[in-house]
Amino acid sequence: RKEVEQDPGPFNVPEGATVAFNCTYSNSASQSFFWYRQDCRKEPKLLMSVYSSGNEDGRFTAQLNRASQYISLLIRDSKLSDSATYLCVVNVGRGGYQKVTFGTGTKLQVIP
Amino acid sequence: DVKVTQSSRYLVKRTGEKVFLECVQDMDHENMFWYRQDPGLGLRLIYFSYDVKMKEKGDIPEGYSVSREKKERFSLILESASTNQTSMYLCASGRGGEWTQYFGPGTRLLVL
Repeated sequence: RKEVEQDPGPFNVPEGATVAFNCTYSNSASQSFFWYRQDCRKEPKLLMSVYSSGNEDGRFTAQLNRASQYISLLIRDSKLSDSATYLCVVNVGRGGYQKVTFGTGTKLQVIP
Repeated sequence: DVKVTQSSRYLVKRTGEKVFLECVQDMDHENMFWYRQDPGLGLRLIYFSYDVKMKEKGDIPEGYSVSREKKERFSLILESASTNQTSMYLCASGRGGEWTQYFGPGTRLLVL
């Protein structure tokens, strides 16, 4: 089983729609969670961290479910500019050091 | 704003050549990372460094080496390039003790 798994999509949604992505992780010792956004042929950029109690940043809401080992990203009122690939990132503890593991990403296409 | 720069956006090399990819960050970050990104496989960590002259292997270090002689600069070396090293190479940096990573624009390497 992969350490971090995402549905690759694409998710094709109309402007104004609400869309949600999930990301599952396999290591129950994982400690930190993030969502990054990657535009086509560009570098990934941090979208938001994911906190245990859930957090919101404008139209974006991130949630963590430790019991089921997944994080989610909800985008409300989708804009054309939200079209991108969304990467789930998990800090996986490994013995004496920790490293960050990226999911393969979920592609979102917002349609006019 | 954090700035991470990479020496080349596009590079074409021949099998067996020695290839140097350089990354420079201007935010005095302790941590620096090299990834490669391939379709369907996502970002995979090659090497990372948490201090000058320190390096740790990531998930796929075979065929690569790194050098960090100065805090702001992290170099990736392909000792003898092979066609299966054709990929997008992304450098990232981050503060020590934090897990947010800031990426450079990437280098698309084609090995013929």
